Amino acid sequence: DAGVTQSPTHLIKTRGQQVTLRCSPKSGHDTVSWYQQALGQGPQFIFQYYEEEERQRGNFPDRFSGHQFPNYSSELNVNALLLGDSALYLCASSLTGGSQYFGPGTRLLVL
Amino acid sequence: GENVEQHPSTLSVQEGDSAVIKCTYSDSASNYFPWYKQELGKRPQLIIDIRSNVGEKKDQRIAVTLNKTAKHFSLHITETQPEDSAVYFCAAYIGAGSYQLTFGKGTKLSVIP
Repeated sequence: DAGVTQSPTHLIKTRGQQVTLRCSPKSGHDTVSWYQQALGQGPQFIFQYYEEEERQRGNFPDRFSGHQFPNYSSELNVNALLLGDSALYLCASSLTGGSQYFGPGTRLLVL
Repeated sequence: GENVEQHPSTLSVQEGDSAVIKCTYSDSASNYFPWYKQELGKRPQLIIDIRSNVGEKKDQRIAVTLNKTAKHFSLHITETQPEDSAVYFCAAYIGAGSYQLTFGKGTKLSVIP
C-alpha cells in the first residue's frame, strides 16, 4: 500500500516564474491538503481539496491555486513566484475528517 | 495572537528520562489534536492523536492528555531514546467546522545518550 507521494522532490525557479507541484494521496483517501513549511517553522495551511473542490483556504494570496482530479490526486500551482515562496511544500491526505498523513514534500528554491 | 501555542521551543533530556511538551489552543470548538514528529529533512510523521471525547491516549512510550476546560493538551514521552530526537509539532482544527489544521511552532527535542 503506497503512502502519500509528491513530485518533484526539488525544484529551482526564478522570480516571476510559475510552478506546479503534484501529490498522490494514500490509497483509499479522498481529501488532500497543502501546506507550506518555511525553515524552522511549522507547516502553514494553504488549502484543502475534497470532491474536486477547494473546501477551505488559509491565508495565502490568489497566486496559490490548486486542483483535484477524479482519482483524488492534486496539484498546487504558484504563479509570479517571489523569493519568499522558497519553502518545503507538503501535501497531506486523509479520509474526510480523519487523520492527515504527509508526503515527503517538494523543496522549492526561488532565485 | 497565536491559535496554537507550543512550549518549550527546545528541550534536552537524558536518555531514559521523560519528556513533556505542552500546547494550548484558542478555540473551544476544537475537537481533534494530533502530534507530529519531524526528523531533519523528512516529512512530518503522525505519532498520536486524540479527539475531544477522550482525556488520555497511550501508545507504548507515547501518551497524549487533553484538558478541554483549560484548552490545553500535552505529549508525554517516557524512557526516551536517542532516536526520539526530532522536532515535535502539535496541531488543532481552529474554528467550528474548520478543515484548517493549525500547527504550533514546534519543539526541538534532543535526547542525550
